[in-house]
Amino acid sequence: DQQVKQNSPSLSVQEGRISILNCDYTNSMFDYFLWYKKYPAEGPTFLISISSIKDKNEDGRFTVFLNKSAKHLSLHIVPSQPGDSAVYFCAARRRGFGNEKLTFGTGTRLTIIP
Amino acid sequence: DGGITQSPKYLFRKEGQNVTLSCEQNLNHDAMYWYRQDPGQGLRLIYYSQIVNDFQKGDIAEGYSVSREKKESFPLTVTSAQKNPTAFYLCASSIGSLIQETQYFGPGTRLLVL
Repeated sequence: DQQVKQNSPSLSVQEGRISILNCDYTNSMFDYFLWYKKYPAEGPTFLISISSIKDKNEDGRFTVFLNKSAKHLSLHIVPSQPGDSAVYFCAARRRGFGNEKLTFGTGTRLTIIP
Repeated sequence: DGGITQSPKYLFRKEGQNVTLSCEQNLNHDAMYWYRQDPGQGLRLIYYSQIVNDFQKGDIAEGYSVSREKKESFPLTVTSAQKNPTAFYLCASSIGSLIQETQYFGPGTRLLVL
């Protein structure tokens, strides 16, 4: 049972435009969400996170939006740059637990077209 | 340079053989984790350790074993009891196991069965 879903395995976006990556979850006990970025032959690196008490968190070009009623979060990258081409994973944590209870999505491969 | 190293990059296992994947970190982190990634699936937690000489099973621990004799090292043994070991294995560490303590990932080891 995939509790965190990234329904788009891949996404292509023109350089300079907005990239929107989506993530849906089913477990209402999730209260903290993270996005990781992974380049080939490297491990994932942390990008941005959001707590369920917020609906938006911004860090430079990256903004994460959380819609609790829809159990949906999205990552916006504006403007998209060639270096953003990578696989993006969303992850969710169950309330009351730490990193040992992270549930990861299957990832979305983002390709930025120059 | 501080970071997490995993070796080898590729590992081949024969039927009935135990193999050990290495994970070393020089970040002085207390918590370490092993994840498995299969095609079309998110990362799944195999084992984690919050402190030296202590470790806990994750969601898919069957067929695996770990040790944590040193803070810097958290080797994972894939035993012959693991019937489907072919996967990409990622090691991670964090200062502690609280969710706000970012996990840092190694580059991964790809295990293949001959």
